[in-house]
Amino acid sequence: QSVLTQPPSVSGAPGQRVTISCTGSSSNIGAGSDVHWYQMLPGTAPKLLISGNNNRPSGVPDRFSGSKSVTSASLAITGLQADDEADYYCQSYDRSLGDYVFGPGTKVTVL
Amino acid sequence: QVQLVQSGAEVQKPGASVKISCKASGYTFTYFALHWVRQAPGHSLEWMGWISPGNGHTKYSRKFRGRISLTRDTSATTVFLELSSLRSEDTAVYYCARETVHCNGTSCDDPFFDSWGQGTLVPVSS
Repeated sequence: QSVLTQPPSVSGAPGQRVTISCTGSSSNIGAGSDVHWYQMLPGTAPKLLISGNNNRPSGVPDRFSGSKSVTSASLAITGLQADDEADYYCQSYDRSLGDYVFGPGTKVTVL
Repeated sequence: QVQLVQSGAEVQKPGASVKISCKASGYTFTYFALHWVRQAPGHSLEWMGWISPGNGHTKYSRKFRGRISLTRDTSATTVFLELSSLRSEDTAVYYCARETVHCNGTSCDDPFFDSWGQGTLVPVSS
């Protein structure tokens, strides 16, 4: 069972906006730990999408954006495209466990 | 460019040990910690531990302590994951990932993983 929670799936039509939530607790996101997001296309290794809650590495389209509030974070994808179909994982650091922790992942489907 | 190239798939029997390598290139090997993360079929990503290639310091997830060993060969810019007493639940794809930190002025974000190896499949089956 993951320390962070995410919805199992979200879907949207091409061009639409979807958001993925990542909910933590007072020992991770609520303790001030940053949230990072990774994209896993089928059969490939994770790829960094968002670091430090809302920073996009070079090469990541500005259609992807991140935000963070008290004990949760969100990833937004605007202008949804077919090649956005992938699994998306949030990641943070849990200060009680002393571990880096991942959410269970959210599958994005483009209708 | 940064590259992490892992060794190939290894079928293992229960009770055995596996040793996987991750060769780094394209950056100064000793400057960045390397982590290991695995993904079992149908499961999420799971952090296992990290090693500092500069001084060999390691930290392991409590879940794997006693069964995991991370080592490095600085001359070969390679880190190794060894996992012992394998069981069927250890069947997974194992990834190495480079840790980095983004700093802005006087403050830095928490570490994250900016480059990943291609993954190594380890099926554990009798």
